[in-house]
Amino acid sequence: GENVEQHPSTLSVQEGDSAVIKCTYSDSASNYFPWYKQELGKGPQLIIDIRSNVGEKKDQRIAVTLNKTAKHFSLHITETQPEDSAVYFCAATSGSRLTFGEGTQLTVNP
Amino acid sequence: DAGVIQSPRHEVTEMGQEVTLRCKPISGHDYLFWYRQTMMRGLELLIYFNNNVPIDDSGMPEDRFSAKMPNASFSTLKIQPSEPRDSAVYFCASSLRQGANEQFFGPGTRLTVL
Repeated sequence: GENVEQHPSTLSVQEGDSAVIKCTYSDSASNYFPWYKQELGKGPQLIIDIRSNVGEKKDQRIAVTLNKTAKHFSLHITETQPEDSAVYFCAATSGSRLTFGEGTQLTVNP
Repeated sequence: DAGVIQSPRHEVTEMGQEVTLRCKPISGHDYLFWYRQTMMRGLELLIYFNNNVPIDDSGMPEDRFSAKMPNASFSTLKIQPSEPRDSAVYFCASSLRQGANEQFFGPGTRLTVL
């Protein structure tokens, strides 16, 4: 089945800096790659996603890139703010199920 | 819409007791998923339903776990008998279409088995 690896497990940045989280996947048939943000005590919430026919997607301060050849995708957050502090999960489809990475705890220091 | 609703939000029980977690998906969503989240294993898919029918239960850890979806607006995840290693946060999620469509997660049920 699909295996998704996510790095780093923790990331601390200063407010205003950029943050990058990287994921790799194993199943070349995967075609959908969402990113979720999970705040303390809440369920994960989709923040951006990308499909296999697109190399990059942007939504305000958030962007995701996908390299299907290398089987990796990344989340980029620019101009980070304290409210960006949360756990971020990448995921990939494998057949009929989403497989999640282990999560990255992002801390944005004011 | 109120989003995915889960109850209870917190459950503390003793080993050996039966535990029932409940979920109401977003109206109109055809897919419902049950996940378990722990520090050690992260987010794991336990089972998912399409139009109330269980499609893939390969993530259910053992026979002590069972899930039902008697209608489009209600699902249960039952653990009988519960064990301390079942302690985790259990999430329910729903989507219009599985795989390539956004999954909307509920707030989760934090289960503690003493």
